[in-house]
Amino acid sequence: DSGVTQTPKHLITATGQRVTLRCSPRSGDLSVYWYQQSLDQGLQFLIQYYNGEERAKGNILERFSAQQFPDLHSELNLSSLELGDSALYFCASSSNQGQTAGELFFGEGSRLTVL
Amino acid sequence: AQSVTQLGSHVSVSEGALVLLRCNYSSSVPPYLFWYVQYPNQGLQLLLKYTTGATLVKGINGFEAEFKKSETSFHLTKPSAHMSDAAEYFCAVSVVGFKTIFGAGTRLFVKA
Repeated sequence: DSGVTQTPKHLITATGQRVTLRCSPRSGDLSVYWYQQSLDQGLQFLIQYYNGEERAKGNILERFSAQQFPDLHSELNLSSLELGDSALYFCASSSNQGQTAGELFFGEGSRLTVL
Repeated sequence: AQSVTQLGSHVSVSEGALVLLRCNYSSSVPPYLFWYVQYPNQGLQLLLKYTTGATLVKGINGFEAEFKKSETSFHLTKPSAHMSDAAEYFCAVSVVGFKTIFGAGTRLFVKA
């Protein structure tokens, strides 16, 4: 158990819909990262938050947004869903102070299926 | 910018044989290097990491990796494969203040 909790584990929805994925980081970790894993794109970095502020952005679509709340949990919002958004979405956390490159602790992922 | 290349999307070995998974990286500054393992229907978990110091690092489950700066490589090895090692393995690189970049992954098959 990594200590990172993601909900829901599975989600099936239709094209055009909007979903929210939730992540609770390990106790004490200030950084939260979101990754998308698909068969054709591999593990793609989406976005990082550190203590409530956006720290780094990767290949995140404009239809996607995220935030980190004062209690440090994070949510990834996916809107106007397309078939190609079907993937496994991982949240990871670290004790990274922004100045070190430490290991990431991953949740078990949220599998999104868009029909 | 950093990048990671894993050679071979699939590697198959017999049980008891040497496991060698290849990883090359690119970084303009000294990197931190990682190997993660992903078992089916699970998230990634850290196998081992190199930050500074000794270039041969040992991880969990008998795996080790050697940082070779001159070759920009960080290959993962295990002397004797076990059936339970079947999984997907990811090499990753990060530098201070920047995000972690993952390779495309190598799926390891272990034959009885």
